Amino acid sequence: NAGVTQTPKFQVLKTGQSMTLQCAQDMNHEYMSWYRQDPGMGLRLIHYSVGAGITDQGEVPNGYNVSRSTTEDFPLRLLSAAPSQTSVYFCASRKLAGLLITGELFFGEGSRLTVL
Amino acid sequence: SQELEQSPQSLIVQEGKNLTINCTSSKTLYGLYWYKQKYGEGLIFLMMLQKGGEEKSHEKITAKLDEKKQQSSLHITASQPSHAGIYLCGADRGSGGSNYKLTFGKGTLLTVNP
Repeated sequence: NAGVTQTPKFQVLKTGQSMTLQCAQDMNHEYMSWYRQDPGMGLRLIHYSVGAGITDQGEVPNGYNVSRSTTEDFPLRLLSAAPSQTSVYFCASRKLAGLLITGELFFGEGSRLTVL
Repeated sequence: SQELEQSPQSLIVQEGKNLTINCTSSKTLYGLYWYKQKYGEGLIFLMMLQKGGEEKSHEKITAKLDEKKQQSSLHITASQPSHAGIYLCGADRGSGGSNYKLTFGKGTLLTVNP
């Protein structure tokens, strides 16, 4: 039972480089989301999706792109990395029942990103 | 402004002592979630509360939801070193799926000294 799988677990980038954080879930969850966690700031929502082809912005979307071509995958793209994007990133998913959210978020183990 | 305020921010207790962590919302609560995080790891789901007055327990951890006060408390009885970590509360921000954004408090760091 894999749950939510994130890759890579660690990444170091130089300012201006681009990269994609991968997230996959095998629970057939409609809802997927990306958070970043910073000291003193807690978890902040970056982007989320309620199904294939549907994405929306969270609290801190600037500098990040997402797409949802399948139910299973929800990659997060940094087009031009900045030191302010140094953080720990978490992908999470949950089941939806029509328009209702029916339970807890399942989290991946996190991806630690450092931008120099 | 932070929608979910957790208190205290950090807590150090002696093993065997009881403790309480609070989570207060500035907006109406539709669902309240408690998670635990060990340093450098992902978040582990503890409990979900959806109705005012609801109380749930898992092993030595009990959580309650006071809908009127828009507040939840997490109580640990006879704490153990295994309880150490960061406790986060999260809340649904809408009813009937009108707002899917689950927002979180900043967390409470719990240290349990043997």
